[in-house]
Amino acid sequence: ETGVTQSPTHLIKTRGQQVTLRCSSQSGHNTVSWYQQALGQGPQFIFQYYREEENGRGNFPPRFSGLQFPNYSSELNVNALELDDSALYLCASSLVFGLGQTYEQYFGPGTRLTVT
Amino acid sequence: GIQVEQSPPDLILQEGANSTLRCNFSDSVNNLQWFHQNPWGQLINLFYIPSGTKQNGRLSATTVATERYSLLYISSSQTTDSGVYFCALANFGNEKLTFGTGTRLTIIP
Repeated sequence: ETGVTQSPTHLIKTRGQQVTLRCSSQSGHNTVSWYQQALGQGPQFIFQYYREEENGRGNFPPRFSGLQFPNYSSELNVNALELDDSALYLCASSLVFGLGQTYEQYFGPGTRLTVT
Repeated sequence: GIQVEQSPPDLILQEGANSTLRCNFSDSVNNLQWFHQNPWGQLINLFYIPSGTKQNGRLSATTVATERYSLLYISSSQTTDSGVYFCALANFGNEKLTFGTGTRLTIIP
């Protein structure tokens, strides 16, 4: 069984640039959630993708967007990067049988983004 | 939204000691997970425990959903137990996990 993988591991970008982060879900999982973790804080929910559709979004501006592909992998795109976007970005995958059902989430190792 | 409070914020123990970490929450939940975040940032699943008691080796957890708290017990601590412990939860119809502020555990040899 393959766990959740993320790429790249580290990334340095300049303010105003755009970035794409990638996540491959755990084998057999159909849902991917993205979280942002600033230094010294707990992860904050960005959004979730279920069956290739966005299913819920946290308090993040529209310049944070995402995609889920038919193989359930996912991308997180951030446009017009700001210094405050510097953080660890975590994706989590889960197997959801239907909306509103409880499920356990498994996290990838994260992508550490630095915006200068 | 649901509020999550973890205590204590920091804990320093000698190797071999036992510890209890607490997670209080403000609403009913249908998903509660405990994680250990290692120094490289990886969140490691410890327990999925929206209610009841579970044990895995030196670790055990109890969630009393009616009283809105969960406890994580670590016995015979080892230096590899060091790191930040998070509880995270979600309530019905809510797809996101809300994380607590974490407990930073340091185990001294």
